[in-house]
Amino acid sequence: DTGVSQNPRHKITKRGQNVTFRCDPISEHNRLYWYRQTLGQGPEFLTYFQNEAQLEKSRLLSDRFSAERPKGSFSTLEIQRTEQGDSAMYLCASSFIGYGYTFGSGTRLTVV
Amino acid sequence: QQPVQSPQAVILREGEDAVINCSSSKALYSVHWYRQKHGEAPVFLMILLKGGEQKGHDKISASFNEKKQQSSLYLTASQLSYSGTYFCGTEGVGSSNTGKLIFGQGTTLQVKP
Repeated sequence: DTGVSQNPRHKITKRGQNVTFRCDPISEHNRLYWYRQTLGQGPEFLTYFQNEAQLEKSRLLSDRFSAERPKGSFSTLEIQRTEQGDSAMYLCASSFIGYGYTFGSGTRLTVV
Repeated sequence: QQPVQSPQAVILREGEDAVINCSSSKALYSVHWYRQKHGEAPVFLMILLKGGEQKGHDKISASFNEKKQQSSLYLTASQLSYSGTYFCGTEGVGSSNTGKLIFGQGTTLQVKP
């Protein structure tokens, strides 16, 4: 068990480009969460999966954001037509029901 | 609704105690506590469940007042390694045990020698 793995660690992209991040959760965990964190703030909920089903997506999230978790294993988060306001740390976490999260190291996105 | 943490920041000397508070306007099912060091991911410390069950870290304690929708994290005899930003994450009763957390804005703790 190597924990939650996120790739890439850093991504610099030009405004208007699409980006995709990957998260590999702890294999035994059935829940997977995506959060976004900006400097000096707590993590902000984006979406979560139970196994392969996406059960909730934040209303704050525009249609430019989409997430998948095929076969209940790894997950991807895609941002289309990136904007400067999308610059943030994107965190993935996994857990068992009723237990704490294990976070990955995050993907830091910079939109220039 | 984001929970409110207090204080926003605290500076301690090694060996001193600290209390960090987390308050919600919604009825809560659970409260989580995490510590995040600069440039790293948050690390799970403690979970407190409605009904009083507690799971987690054995060197840091916490309380959960369901009626007041408040939780407090107690750090006793602080060590240099306790430095970081502490976040509470709350799961509302209406979330139907989704595990979805809303995090507070954080409390920065600095422990000096």
